Amino acid sequence: EDKVVQSPLSLVVHEGDTVTLNCSYEVTNFRSLLWYKQEKKAPTFLFMLTSSGIEKKSGRLSSILDKKELSSILNITATQTGDSAIYLCAVERYGDDKIIFGKGTRLHILP
Amino acid sequence: GAGVSQSPSNKVTEKGKDVELRCDPISGHTALYWYRQSLGQGLEFLIYFQGNSAPDKSGLPSDRFSAERTGGSVSTLTIQRTQQEDSAVYLCASSLRLAGVGDTQYFGPGTRLTVL
Repeated sequence: EDKVVQSPLSLVVHEGDTVTLNCSYEVTNFRSLLWYKQEKKAPTFLFMLTSSGIEKKSGRLSSILDKKELSSILNITATQTGDSAIYLCAVERYGDDKIIFGKGTRLHILP
Repeated sequence: GAGVSQSPSNKVTEKGKDVELRCDPISGHTALYWYRQSLGQGLEFLIYFQGNSAPDKSGLPSDRFSAERTGGSVSTLTIQRTQQEDSAVYLCASSLRLAGVGDTQYFGPGTRLTVL
């Protein structure tokens, strides 16, 4: 059965720290891996990583896809209280275009 | 149940037909969300239900889309007079209450809708 596993489940750090969130997957017919930030209501899209784009960066956030290890990391540097959220990882697969979500990492940034 | 379930898993329909998509949330979850995701795109919020409050329909793309939630549990998303641009994966999620930092949304497996 296809699955996406995120770790840690929760994380508390102080403002200014750097955090690394992990996502591993076992998904047949992998198409892409997506990262979302969930605060209120709808998750906000952060990055999409594919075989042709294994590293993305936007401001203090960056993400890398390791297709050999079937995993991805999301890095946040110089964290701010506004980074507090649940970060979701999801994998799209070919064929039926289904998306499998992980359970998320709950990140809390202390001032 | 063990998780959020959706049915059907796949639906192929002809342009102009109506479709109904079903979501069974996790038992006890008061908040229910519908999203859709087109290939390679981010999640598009459609509608959410929170307990007995009036649903937030701000994300519905047109009046052809409607949703209801009966008895605070099962939800049905209806698309009338389907168009080809409606083709997407429709995802349902539920959470214990209105999503915030401390509240995880649990996603179902999605329904892949193809409009020919």
